[in-house]
Amino acid sequence: GAVVSQHPSWVICKSGTSVKIECRSLDFQATTMFWYRQFPKQSLMLMATSNEGSKATYEQGVEKDKFLINHASLTLSTLTVTSAHPEDSSFYICSAHDRTSGNNEQFFGPGTRLTVL
Amino acid sequence: SQQGEEDPQALSIQEGENATMNCSYKTSINNLQWYRQNSGRGLVHLILIRSNEREKHSGRLRVTLDTSKKSSSLLITASRAADTASYFCATDADYKLSFGAGTTVTVRA
Repeated sequence: GAVVSQHPSWVICKSGTSVKIECRSLDFQATTMFWYRQFPKQSLMLMATSNEGSKATYEQGVEKDKFLINHASLTLSTLTVTSAHPEDSSFYICSAHDRTSGNNEQFFGPGTRLTVL
Repeated sequence: SQQGEEDPQALSIQEGENATMNCSYKTSINNLQWYRQNSGRGLVHLILIRSNEREKHSGRLRVTLDTSKKSSSLLITASRAADTASYFCATDADYKLSFGAGTTVTVRA
């Protein structure tokens, strides 16, 4: 199956700093990438959908100025958590999808654990 | 928004036994997918069942879908210790996935 990587796999930062998380599709072109957040022992919550070359669409309740998403190429999307606070500590997971494939499957990255001190 | 709801929330079984978990959802879907997540790791796609399908098999997995009841079930037969994980259903409407709360399965050796 298709491979999606995330970097870093974990990050610890101080409150007030910004953190960038990368999501890459390694062997296919991801026309669409999705960003999810998962709190401990909870399910995945969709944060935003990004289509290559256009602005991300954010889910209700997700601050677009706090969670900056860039999808400048067909293989890379980035999520920047700006001015991070302890309540932003979570597991962030991306997934990638190729709309041109005719296949509904999303391929998930391994996740990035963010801890804000 | 979260659409799928799963039950049970947790399941503990003996190795070799079968595990069944259910998922209910609220709106129309294109397909329903099941994923496995080991603790602190990413998601592994298990199986996708389309809205016009009723049953699908993959190895020891059997998934059913009842669109009239808006529900799906995942059966894992002859469970193994390696099946210990959280299992999530996700409904697909226009390529966006809505995940259920998940069922945590513990398989005792």
